[in-house]
This record gives sequence, structure tokens and C-alpha cells, in this order.
Amino acid sequence: DQQVKQNSPSLSVQEGRISILNCDYTNSMFDYFLWYKKYPAEGPTFLISISSIKDKNEDGRFTVFLNKSAKHLSLHIVPSQPGDSAVYFCAASRVAGKLIFGQGTELSVKP
Amino acid sequence: GAGVSQSPSNKVTEKGKDVELRCDPISGHTALYWYRQRLGQGLEFLIYFQGNSAPDKSGLPSDRFSAERTGESVSTLTIQRTQQEDSAVYLCASSLGRVGNSPLHFGNGTRLTVT
Repeated sequence: DQQVKQNSPSLSVQEGRISILNCDYTNSMFDYFLWYKKYPAEGPTFLISISSIKDKNEDGRFTVFLNKSAKHLSLHIVPSQPGDSAVYFCAASRVAGKLIFGQGTELSVKP
Repeated sequence: GAGVSQSPSNKVTEKGKDVELRCDPISGHTALYWYRQRLGQGLEFLIYFQGNSAPDKSGLPSDRFSAERTGESVSTLTIQRTQQEDSAVYLCASSLGRVGNSPLHFGNGTRLTVT
């Protein structure tokens, strides 16, 4: 039972353009959502989070959007840079619950 | 060091042997998590500690897997009678508070290969 899904295994974007990574979830009880970035041979690093009481959170070039009615989460990176090339995981949890991850989307930003 | 430390970074073992993986969380972090990532897959939850107790161990795949945490610090994940399907990267993470209030900080993982 995959409660958090990232349906695009890969995404390729030109440097300077916007990258949009998508995530869908099935459990309406989730109330905390996060995005992580992972380089090869390293652990995931935290990027940005959003609680269910908000619909948008921004941090520099990264913005996360939450659409609770659609159970959909997205991460926008603008402008995209070659150093952003990595695997991006979305994750969701209930308060005091475990963090459940999607399968990841590999982003490639071409110079 | 300031981050989560895991050892060994790589482990190759023969099928049927026992292995022990170690995690040193960030000092002061009360919550500690173990995840597993098989090749080409997402992160699979194994077990979560709050202090030295494990309120959620629902992700442990079988009774060959066990974990403990002592002194609200170091944790060890033990896999007995390893099987080839246990091959994966085992990731440990810690957080200052409960999930929902603070993000998880991950170590670089232990890559386990069972031959």
C-alpha cells in the first residue's frame, strides 16, 4: 500500500528554467509534508516542509505547494541550477507518526 | 561531528551470517529512525525510537531484524541469518522532537551486500 507516490521517476530541465516535482498521497490524516534531496552515496538532506494548515511555503528558490482537496504536493525550483541535479523524495506523516517516503524523482538540470 | 554517523559504511557478508549496524545520532536528538533503501526503490521505514523505547517497529520485515537504543544515544540494528533480499542501504536518521515538529537528519547509510 503506497501511501505516498511520486509517479515521475525522472525529470530533465534546462538550467534557469523552473523544475516542478509532483507527489500524491492517499492518507487524509497526514498533516506534515517534507521534501528531501539525495545525492549518490549520501543520506537524504532536508529541503523544505509544510504543515497541513498552509497551502504554500517558500524558502529561497524552493517553494512547496499543498493542495489538500486533491491530496497533492509539489516542489517548485526556480531558477534551476546544475547543482540541483539529484533524487528528490517527498515524505508525509501524521503528528507523532512515522515519516513515509515516496519512491523519488531523479532531477537532471542541463547547463 | 555534528551529523548522524553510521558504521560501517559498507558491509559485505555471506548469506546466513549475522550483521550489526551502528548509528550515532546528533547529540540531544531524542528521536531516532531506521530506514532501508533497496536498489531503485524509495525509503522503507523499519523502526522508530523515542528515547530508548520503540513505539513503532511495524516496518521490521521479519523476526530476523531487531534494533535497540541505549542511553538515548547509540542505536544498533541487527540482522540475523542474512538473506540476499536484505541487501540494501540502511539509513539512520535522528530528530530533535517528534515527527511533525522537526525534520529528520540522515546519516550516509550502511551499504549491506549479502552474497
